[in-house]
Amino acid sequence: EAGVAQSPRYKIIEKRQSVAFWCNPISGHATLYWYQQILGQGPKLLIQFQNNGVVDDSQLPKDRFSAERLKGVDSTLKIQPAKLEDSAVYLCASSLDLSPGNTIYFGEGSWLTVV
Amino acid sequence: SQQGEEDPQALSIQEGENATMNCSYKTSINNLQWYRQNSGRGLVHLILIRSNEREKHSGRLRVTLDTSKKSSSLLITASRAADTASYFCAAGTQGGKLIFGQGTELSVKP
Repeated sequence: EAGVAQSPRYKIIEKRQSVAFWCNPISGHATLYWYQQILGQGPKLLIQFQNNGVVDDSQLPKDRFSAERLKGVDSTLKIQPAKLEDSAVYLCASSLDLSPGNTIYFGEGSWLTVV
Repeated sequence: SQQGEEDPQALSIQEGENATMNCSYKTSINNLQWYRQNSGRGLVHLILIRSNEREKHSGRLRVTLDTSKKSSSLLITASRAADTASYFCAAGTQGGKLIFGQGTELSVKP
């Protein structure tokens, strides 16, 4: 079974530029998450989707971050304009659905450096 | 912050020894999940323990959960150099979200 796919793996941009990350969850998984992990810290939830609807985006800095999952499968996370403090790993994860006992599977992450 | 805490922040042991990592969380949970992260890689799921369970085993891993103290521990027995990684606990909340701790960096010396 294929895991959660993410691209690009690495990206270096200058501050005030924009960047987009793509995620393809495990086939059949209705719930998709984007997490931000700053070096040396645990991941922090940015946004959670159930199919193509947003369940929780309370931690998403909406002035610069946006995310969509238009057809309820793939998702894109965009940052515009980027700030130095956005340097982090952006982890996509998926689970079968919102049932509390489900395992949540993570991708390899997209590593962003803002210079 | 809702994030929990892990203790110790860093742990260095010799191959063959046991490694114990502790985690405390702040929110109500449905489950608690442990993950491993090798340097430069994503998170690998290790084990899930439900809120009505007290102990769970998987291979060389043993997880305990004390919901009255809002704490969990992960024991890795007979550690190997390949176990060197960061280990994170994550509180699984209602609605399917995970709230992560800060992680424990484990170094196993051959």
